[in-house]
Amino acid sequence: DIQMTQSPSSVSASVGDRVTITCRASQGLRSWLAWYQQKPGKAPQVLIYSASSSQSGVPSRFSTGGSETDFTLTISSLQPEDFGTYYCQQANTFPPILSFGGGTKVEIK
Amino acid sequence: QVKLQESGPGLVKPSVTLSLTCTVSNYSITTAYYWGWIRQPPEKGLEWIANIHHTGNTYYSSSLQSRVTMSVDTSKNQFSLKLKYVTAADTAVYYCARVDCSDTTCYVDFWGQGTLVTVSS
Repeated sequence: DIQMTQSPSSVSASVGDRVTITCRASQGLRSWLAWYQQKPGKAPQVLIYSASSSQSGVPSRFSTGGSETDFTLTISSLQPEDFGTYYCQQANTFPPILSFGGGTKVEIK
Repeated sequence: QVKLQESGPGLVKPSVTLSLTCTVSNYSITTAYYWGWIRQPPEKGLEWIANIHHTGNTYYSSSLQSRVTMSVDTSKNQFSLKLKYVTAADTAVYYCARVDCSDTTCYVDFWGQGTLVTVSS
């Protein structure tokens, strides 16, 4: 099974700061990576799929980078509404086996 | 807009079989996509459990496959999860989901609101 390791596990930053979250896979993924944001008490919502394609409505301050085993999600200018926990997720398209990173909790100072 | 709604018991006793159902609205589950279950223990991360293709093929997490079964009821536009021999470690919020898989990606595009299942005697 492919293991996904996210870092940091939590980050506290101020409004306007640049925040970068890293996701490392135990083997190459090509572009089969997605990123989700989860608010407390709610289901996760996809931000990015296919490593770099933004879901409709996702602000442009969210961007991604990397390929194969190392990926990043960057919030260029942190906003108050960006608090929550972010997860990366990999999948083999066939068979459709998914796995998630451990999550990064983003807090606003 | 596709809507998914989980249903099932909120409390189950250890060693029994947990059964959950997901009712899908505004989309026929026989048309396309995979349909899946993902869980989240309290204050912990997400764990994928299983997917079922609209044709009926099933795919299970290697860590749970000995205890898990997914099925579909096309007449009710529902899919279900059964998890045998539950323990306290199976206490979690269980989400049902639609999984969009293509040549270049496989991700969850629609989620249910989640249902908390507690395993306790």
